[in-house]
Amino acid sequence: EAEVAQSPRYKITEKSQAVAFWCDPISGHATLYWYRQILGQGPELLVQFQDESVVDDSQLPKDRFSAERLKGVDSTLKIQPAELGDSAMYLCASSLRQGAYEQFFGPGTRLTVL
Amino acid sequence: SQQGEEDPQALSIQEGENATMNCSYKTSINNLQWYRQNSGRGLVHLILIRSNEREKHSGRLRVTLDTSKKSSSLLITASRAADTASYFCATDGRSSASKIIFGSGTRLSIRP
Repeated sequence: EAEVAQSPRYKITEKSQAVAFWCDPISGHATLYWYRQILGQGPELLVQFQDESVVDDSQLPKDRFSAERLKGVDSTLKIQPAELGDSAMYLCASSLRQGAYEQFFGPGTRLTVL
Repeated sequence: SQQGEEDPQALSIQEGENATMNCSYKTSINNLQWYRQNSGRGLVHLILIRSNEREKHSGRLRVTLDTSKKSSSLLITASRAADTASYFCATDGRSSASKIIFGSGTRLSIRP
């Protein structure tokens, strides 16, 4: 069964360091999402891609976060520099296309910033 | 900001009982989805209901949508220990600027 892959599963870093997360969506899925989930809360959308184009990055802290999906397949989310408040679960999801389509989530990357 | 707000925040019931969770939202939507999340894991899609639908069923799940009240409910019948998880509603707004917004979730615990 096709799955969304994410790596690493866990990342511990010190503040001011750079971190990067990788996501490989289900093959053929045009839409890719990055979410941040703080413990006890729902996922918050950071950025949404349609193929290689950014559809929505209104909640992405652009002074320190960046995301790319150069070939419209896999994607990388980067934080530089990391801050203590960035500690959270980072989830990647993909769907066939935008709109009324089920999102398939990866297992997430648990980030701890010390 | 969270568009969907689930109620209750936490729910504990006996195995075999029914569990009902509610979701309220603020703006007009195209569709509403429910997801389940086991502790420390990714989310799993349960059911999608479109704005022109009022009720959908999937196995032991029943979802209702009342667009006049901007609310939805998720009913799990004959609960099992494996249903222990957090449940989130997610709305897909109608305006061009809308994005998918998840609620804060209901933590469901099933007691054996």
